Amino acid sequence: EVQLVESGGGFVQPGRSLRLSCTGSGFAFGGYALSWVRQAPGKGLEWVAFIRSKTYRGTIEYAASVKGRFTISRDDSKGVAYLLMNSLTTEDTAIYYCSRHALTVTDPFDFWGQGTLVAVSS
Amino acid sequence: DIQMTQSPSSLSASVGDRVTILCRASQSISTYLNWYQQKPGKAPKLLIYGASNLESGVPSRFSGRGSGTEFTLAISTLQPEDFATYYCQQSYGAPYTFGQGTKLEIK
Repeated sequence: EVQLVESGGGFVQPGRSLRLSCTGSGFAFGGYALSWVRQAPGKGLEWVAFIRSKTYRGTIEYAASVKGRFTISRDDSKGVAYLLMNSLTTEDTAIYYCSRHALTVTDPFDFWGQGTLVAVSS
Repeated sequence: DIQMTQSPSSLSASVGDRVTILCRASQSISTYLNWYQQKPGKAPKLLIYGASNLESGVPSRFSGRGSGTEFTLAISTLQPEDFATYYCQQSYGAPYTFGQGTKLEIK
């Protein structure tokens, strides 16, 4: 069974950093592109970043709203993807979902984690 | 960036009704259009990919059509478990954008 489990969320003050983890199981983790998608309270879905598989050089893209502040990475040996979030603002408050692309980045998000809440507040 | 616009934003319907949700892209995205269902407190679930392909395990009452800039999601005979929020999403190119969502409520 394919599973994605996020962790690392919590309450943090503006300007601080947080690192989220996404642990995958039940599939060949290294062969898939992964994205982070977030959802602010009561709002819609916003794609944040993706990282391709090593087959596609592990290239990365970010949404403009997080570029320069967030860093996505992956450790295929551990089956984990990360999202390092620096210089957090209240606008970053959201549930953060890890999602798997069906194979490549032009494929849909076919599996999602349960999400982890990041709350930025002073 | 490609803008995705859904209509309506909310919809009231009864069990057994047929409903249609429209999604428009600000530029052509071929058939790189996906539909998701989200229930309160849950992660989104993939329903339709590539504009018209039914994800495995999704009931056949769900269907998708369209290409280019205009797409539709139809639910042929609403069941109680279908009342949720639906999102379209383009996977043509980054940044991947979602529609604002359509909340389907029980009349």
